Amino acid sequence: DAKTTQPNSMESNEEEPVHLPCNHSTISGTDYIHWYRQLPSQGPEYVIHGLTSNVNNRMASLAIAEDRKSSTLILHRATLRDAAVYYCILRDVSPDYKLSFGAGTTVTVRA
Amino acid sequence: GAGVSQSPSNKVTEKGKDVELRCDPISGHTALYWYRQSLGQGLEFLIYFQGNSAPDKSGLPSDRFSAERTGGSVSTLTIQRTQQEDSAVYLCASSLATVSGANVLTFGAGSRLTVL
Repeated sequence: DAKTTQPNSMESNEEEPVHLPCNHSTISGTDYIHWYRQLPSQGPEYVIHGLTSNVNNRMASLAIAEDRKSSTLILHRATLRDAAVYYCILRDVSPDYKLSFGAGTTVTVRA
Repeated sequence: GAGVSQSPSNKVTEKGKDVELRCDPISGHTALYWYRQSLGQGLEFLIYFQGNSAPDKSGLPSDRFSAERTGGSVSTLTIQRTQQEDSAVYLCASSLATVSGANVLTFGAGSRLTVL
């Protein structure tokens, strides 16, 4: 299965944007890029996903590189509630025999 | 249901006892996943079901772990002869069938297992 690489941690100040990078150099043409986050003591929750074009929703934006080998999750104005572990994963049309999440990026937001 | 439901939310058991953890996925979601998360650690993939079938069980940590799914809906993760290292949060997720990578995973709140 395709792999992703993320920094272990990032810090941000409240009200400032946060850019979370994800590298996926072995991505295939049918892989979708998904982002999930896990707030403290909760199960992971969906944030955003995309295939080729940049995507926006109420939670975040996803910027996908032209060659699709990397992507960036953008939190436009970080709040204390955005402190979480953020996971970048790839999903494709093949069955998810082993859908691994990796360690993710721990985001700390300073007041 | 509206979301993925897991029970019990908390389970404390004695070493050597058997435990059953239940996952009730979103109606119509044929793909179901179990993960384990030890304190301060990432998500450890355990097993994936497509319908009632689990094609690959190699993610289960030992032969004390088993999982089944019936009727393409509810799944049960069973841990026999529990050990202290089994203490963790067990998370279940479901998704529409993986005919498209666009299908989103929905996670339950997890079952926290403590083995004394």
